Formats: sequence, structure tokens, C-alpha cells
Amino acid sequence: EDQVTQSPEALRLQEGESSSLNCSYTVSGLRGLFWYRQDPGKGPEFLFTLYSAGEEKEKERLKATLTKKESFLHITAPKPEDSATYLCAVEGSSNTGKLIFGQGTTLQVKP
Amino acid sequence: DAGVIQSPRHEVTEMGQEVTLRCKPISGHDYLFWYRQTMMRGLELLIYFNNNVPIDDSGMPEDRFSAKMPNASFSTLKIQPSEPRDSAVYFCASSFGQDSQPQHFGDGTRLSIL
Repeated sequence: EDQVTQSPEALRLQEGESSSLNCSYTVSGLRGLFWYRQDPGKGPEFLFTLYSAGEEKEKERLKATLTKKESFLHITAPKPEDSATYLCAVEGSSNTGKLIFGQGTTLQVKP
Repeated sequence: DAGVIQSPRHEVTEMGQEVTLRCKPISGHDYLFWYRQTMMRGLELLIYFNNNVPIDDSGMPEDRFSAKMPNASFSTLKIQPSEPRDSAVYFCASSFGQDSQPQHFGDGTRLSIL
């Protein structure tokens, strides 16, 4: 069964304090790993797709990396506007078209 | 470009009533997904369509739930009769093509069943 576990559940950072969010996954035949950002009262907003181990993607202060067992979302010098819940999801070859989501990491960045 | 549009944004109704949630996907997208989000279970896929045809409804919790997609620009999720445990945020998402394309979400319908 495909599974996704995110850690930590919650993270508080000071503005400018870099850190990483973890997404551990178990999937039969990874087709894609997705990172989303969700603000309160909004739907998840797509950030990145990673397809194979060793792949990296960057967007502003965010950088996503992928290994065969986990993905990291690195946040460099975060700002208060980066506060949100970050969701990780996987699509496996046995569940084509279906995303399995983790529970998310809620990030709070204080000024 | 307009994103995925859901209505209503909020719905409060009494147990036993019929509830209909609506979704307009992004124009040109051929996949449509319905999700439910709760604190306990997170984001769960209920059903998805490809070219208006239901492909997988294994996530639909009970026969009280039904979904339709009469055309490429409109889908409904219906709950009849509704129960308090159906209270959640329901999201619609759409995507284009296969090969693990990202899904784009609407802002959801917050449903409260009293």
C-alpha cells in the first residue's frame, strides 16, 4: 500500500532561519512526487513535481530534493509570507492518476 | 486564466438533507478529481473522471455519495441523505493529460451537517 509520512507536524521558525521539511514515502513504482502549499481557507497550490531520485527543483526560497525513500523541502531564509501548510503527495504505478497525500507540515515563520 | 471554480464556498444544512457541491474545472483539462479533507484523515481522493467518465470511485465512502460529470466543464458531488460525519472541506481538482501531471485545486466547499 502506498504511504506518505511527513515530519515534523508543525515547525516554528524565526524569519531568516533556514530549515527542511521531510516527506518519507513507500510506493510501488514512483511515477511522481508532488509538493503543494496550502493557506488557510484555500485549496492546495502546486509547487513542484519530482520524478526520479537525484532530481532537484527550486522556486524562490524553496528547493525540493528527492531520494528513493524521501523528499526534502528546504526553505532558505524564510519570510513570514512562507507560513502555510506544506503537503507532499505521491503517485505510484499501481495507482496511476491517484495522489496519496501526507498529513502535511504546518510552518509558521515569525518576524 | 480562471482556476478551478467551486460552489458554494460554505454550506450548512441539517442531517438528512440532500447536498450538492459543484465544480468547474480549468478549461482544456481532461481529468477531474473530488477530494475530502478532514483533520483526522487529511486529504482523501473520493473519485476521479477522465474525459467525463468515472475511472475510480473506490474512495467514495458510501452509497449516499454520488458524482457526475455531464460535460467537460461541470461536475457535481451529491450527498443524500447527509450525516454529521460528512462535515468536511470538499475540494475539486483538475489536470491535463497523463504522465503524472500536477493537479490544480479549487478553494473548496466547507460543509457542515448539523
